[in-house]
Amino acid sequence: DAGVIQSPRHEVTEMGQEVTLRCKPISGHDYLFWYRQTMMRGLELLIYFNNNVPIDDSGMPEDRFSAKMPNASFSTLKIQPSEPRDSAVYFCASSSDRAVLPQHFGDGTRLSIL
Amino acid sequence: QQQVKQSPQSLIVQKGGIPIINCAYENTAFDYFPWYQQFPGKGPALLIAIRPDVSEKKEGRFTISFNKSAKQFSLHIMDSQPGDSATYFCAASGGKLIFGQGTELSVKP
Repeated sequence: DAGVIQSPRHEVTEMGQEVTLRCKPISGHDYLFWYRQTMMRGLELLIYFNNNVPIDDSGMPEDRFSAKMPNASFSTLKIQPSEPRDSAVYFCASSSDRAVLPQHFGDGTRLSIL
Repeated sequence: QQQVKQSPQSLIVQKGGIPIINCAYENTAFDYFPWYQQFPGKGPALLIAIRPDVSEKKEGRFTISFNKSAKQFSLHIMDSQPGDSATYFCAASGGKLIFGQGTELSVKP
């Protein structure tokens, strides 16, 4: 089992650029979550999908953020345009649990916006 | 009401000691209380979880104690080892998972 795979692991880009983070969940998992981790705010849920359908996006900070899940094995989180305050570690997680809890996290993408 | 308050922020124990991490919540609709362990450069990993109809749950050296009336729960690590050094997060769920702020544990050899 390869686990949840995220790419890239690190991303450094200039303010105003488009950023795309990618995630491959564990095969067979029905739920996919995107989290953001910062020192100030801790771990925050941005959005989660069930069977490729977005269920709750109330944690998405603003319209600059968008997430898609075109199929069961791939999801993207896009920030356009990026701002320095978006700098954080972004985690993708997946789960097969009906309790809608993230069971397996990827190793994250460390995003730095200059 | 949606917060989960975790303490202490950091903790240092000697090998073999029993670190205890505490969490408190307000929302009585929470019905699932997991703990996650995170090593530097890695994502959190689900460690152990408890439901409010149980007062204690053990898995290996990890024990959750749950006090429903006080709305508090805690993680105990028995016979702690240097390899347990990590950041631990409590969480609570009533449909959406809310994380505590984390406790950085260091176990000295």
